[in-house]
Amino acid sequence: GQQVMQIPQYQHVQEGEDFTTYCNSSTTLSNIQWYKQRPGGHPVFLIQLVKSGEVKKQKRLTFQFGEAKKNSSLHITATQTTDVGTYFCAGITGANNLFFGTGTRLTVIP
Amino acid sequence: GAGVSQSPSNKVTEKGKDVELRCDPISGHTALYWYRQSLGQGLEFLIYFQGNSAPDKSGLPSDRFSAERTGGSVSTLTIQRTQQEDSAVYLCASSLGTVGQPQHFGDGTRLSIL
Repeated sequence: GQQVMQIPQYQHVQEGEDFTTYCNSSTTLSNIQWYKQRPGGHPVFLIQLVKSGEVKKQKRLTFQFGEAKKNSSLHITATQTTDVGTYFCAGITGANNLFFGTGTRLTVIP
Repeated sequence: GAGVSQSPSNKVTEKGKDVELRCDPISGHTALYWYRQSLGQGLEFLIYFQGNSAPDKSGLPSDRFSAERTGGSVSTLTIQRTQQEDSAVYLCASSLGTVGQPQHFGDGTRLSIL
């Protein structure tokens, strides 16, 4: 069945280091969304990617959608303690089904 | 309201009791989702309502779980004969239209079954 996997499951970085999480789908996606969930909070929408090979930036965050529209990545440059949380991707198929990824929990050590 | 509202924020109940969780979506949002999240885990899809269409119930884990959405707005998730494994945070989200629209989540209901 449809699966959206994320790696790594956990990541600990020193403040100032970069961080990347990868999202991989077993099937081609029509678009992909990214969410951030702070500890004790609820997921908050960050961005949506639609086009093959698309790259979008939000300050220190860079989002990419693969050419085959089966994978995506979120890269954070020079992490800060405010980046702590779990990052989820959500893949949307052509049949309008949405599958959340397994999430990557980021810890930033000051 | 300004955001998705869920109540209660916390619910503690004894095993075997029934519980009702409420979600009030953002006004004008036609899509409504329920998810379950166990501690430190990902989002488990439960059910999806879109307008007046029949809901997608494919994620409900057993027939003890049911949900309804009255008047295309407020939704209630009911768990009958609760079990300890039902303990989790139940999150509701709404979006403007179809599945491809960004979802706005409520703060969730933390359910603890004793």
